[in-house]
Amino acid sequence: AQSVTQPDIHITVSEGASLELRCNYSYGATPYLFWYVQSPGQGLQLLLKYFSGDTLVQGIKGFEAEFKRSQSSFNLRKPSVHWSDAAEYFCAVGASNQGGKLIFGQGTELSVKP
Amino acid sequence: NAGVTQTPKFRILKIGQSMTLQCAQDMNHNYMYWYRQDPGMGLKLIYYSVGAGITDKGEVPNGYNVSRSTTEDFPLRLELAAPSQTSVYFCASKAEGSTNEKLFFGSGTQLSVL
Repeated sequence: AQSVTQPDIHITVSEGASLELRCNYSYGATPYLFWYVQSPGQGLQLLLKYFSGDTLVQGIKGFEAEFKRSQSSFNLRKPSVHWSDAAEYFCAVGASNQGGKLIFGQGTELSVKP
Repeated sequence: NAGVTQTPKFRILKIGQSMTLQCAQDMNHNYMYWYRQDPGMGLKLIYYSVGAGITDKGEVPNGYNVSRSTTEDFPLRLELAAPSQTSVYFCASKAEGSTNEKLFFGSGTQLSVL
């Protein structure tokens, strides 16, 4: 079955500390992988995406993610977190022949301590 | 450029009432989607459309209906509201083409059924 798992429901980091949010997927076809961010009361905004090629992808706001096929993972990282990064983060998976339909993970809520 | 606009932002319904959630996009996107977001569950696809006059069921379509008479609009109809439909609803759109996999989201409609 196709699925996306984000093992961490809630993470708290100190401002300036590094961040890694985990994402594991189960998908039969070659996946497209995404990270979206949702600020309170807002819709989702695309941070970055992986289709093919270089397995380390750069996104907006200083985020990056690495695709590891052997581990079925697509973890999101940021070297230094800012207070404005506090939000909910969603990993999602799709495929080129799925009409843009995505399967989302449960989300990880990030809190940032001053 | 407004992007994806959803109305209303909040609504309280009584059990058995009906309502229509409106969604409009001004980006001339062919693909449109309705997702619901429940706490700890991520986003689940309700219905989607690949163009005017074409709609199809997603993962959780029961209790909902959609129509797509124009490229711009994709309303979601609840005929007999039930408490299980209490959720936050997001509309999204996407341009056509395998390289255009970015979804653009509206800001959501928070619906409570009491």
